[in-house]
Amino acid sequence: EVQLLESGGGLEQPGGSLRVSCAASGFIFSNFGMSWVRQAPGKGLEWVSAISGSGGRTYYADSVKGRFTISRDNARNTLYLEMNSLRADDTAVYYCATHVDGAAYFPHWGQGTLVIASS
Amino acid sequence: EIVLTQSPATLSLSPGERVTLSCRASQSVNRDLVWYQQRPGQGPRLLIYGASNRATGIPARFSGSGSGTDFTLTISSLEPEDFGIYYCQHHTKWPLTFGGGTKVEIK
Repeated sequence: EVQLLESGGGLEQPGGSLRVSCAASGFIFSNFGMSWVRQAPGKGLEWVSAISGSGGRTYYADSVKGRFTISRDNARNTLYLEMNSLRADDTAVYYCATHVDGAAYFPHWGQGTLVIASS
Repeated sequence: EIVLTQSPATLSLSPGERVTLSCRASQSVNRDLVWYQQRPGQGPRLLIYGASNRATGIPARFSGSGSGTDFTLTISSLEPEDFGIYYCQHHTKWPLTFGGGTKVEIK
């Protein structure tokens, strides 16, 4: 059974940094691309970033480009999102999600971790 | 970026009714279009991929259709557990985008 467990969310001041993690199990982690998707309180879904299975290719939404960095450690079956220069509009639940083989849509999602950027 | 527009924003319906949700893309996404359901307090669940293929474990009352720029999700007969928000998403090129969602609520 595929399991994705996010951690690392919390309260951080605007301008600060935070790293969230996603521990994966139940599948061959290195074979699949992964994404981060966020959802601001009471709002819809927003794709944030994606990374290929090897980690060699990364993609970002314009809203986070230059501030956020996605990475993965395939030996530890863990996905990361390093968030710098946090803004109030980065406040959201951050979900990690698996891709399917060869396409970037999401059959499996974690439960999410809440990031709050506020003073 | 490709903009996905969902309509209507909200539907108020009774159990047993037929539901038709729309997702329109600002440019062709071929059949690279999926649908998710999100119940209150839960993460999204994949319903439909490739515009018309049901994901594993999804009941037959859910169906998808369309290609290019116009897509439809149909629920043939609403069950109580079907109330929630439905999102479309394309994956034809980067960046990925979601539609704004359609909320299906109890009348």
